[in-house]
Amino acid sequence: DTEVTQTPKHLVMGMTNKKSLKCEQHMGHRAMYWYKQKAKKPPELMFVYSYEKLSINESVPSRFSPECPNSSLLNLHLHALQPEDSALYLCASSIRTSGSYEQYFGPGTRLTVT
Amino acid sequence: KNEVEQSPQNLTAQEGEFITINCSYSVGISALHWLQQHPGGGIVSLFMLSSGKKKHGRLIATINIQEKHSSLHITASHPRDSAVYICAVRSDYGGSQGNLIFGKGTKLSVKP
Repeated sequence: DTEVTQTPKHLVMGMTNKKSLKCEQHMGHRAMYWYKQKAKKPPELMFVYSYEKLSINESVPSRFSPECPNSSLLNLHLHALQPEDSALYLCASSIRTSGSYEQYFGPGTRLTVT
Repeated sequence: KNEVEQSPQNLTAQEGEFITINCSYSVGISALHWLQQHPGGGIVSLFMLSSGKKKHGRLIATINIQEKHSSLHITASHPRDSAVYICAVRSDYGGSQGNLIFGKGTKLSVKP
């Protein structure tokens, strides 16, 4: 199984809603990543988890709250988002953060904030 | 100046043509990735290179570490190859946490 899955595929939420994005992999990878991608732009790194511990937070606003409850699962909790947060949110995983390991990307969640 | 530069930004080709996309980078790297993204879709990893050349089907990727340059070639291009191709590098900086530095992508359209 070389797959990273993400749910939901699409999400529309209001600015007062609370929602969560989910990412799952069963490749035994111990590094997991959240990226945000705006239209026609490359992905921007948001968070990196290494062995279930947050190792990078790229100055992301607190309305985005990541969680890594176990080695296979990565969540991104959303609260009080703004319309400019509408984007494709991509999850990725790799064997670990150190060394040269391939990153496997999920299909993304297309988020629209109204 | 971006740390990863791709050229061209946009590329239109006729079906069957040989295509080359270039990537230059200015940082020391431990690996370079070529990624493919179809419109509205997720990202697929095509290659990870740290030296030499790799081939998969009609796709070939090369890297020249001394010149800090990589190329992605597509032979006998097909409309289904239409996508954005992204070059991304992993810095060899000791504090790097596995995150990638992305180029801006090359949008390829292959016409039938």
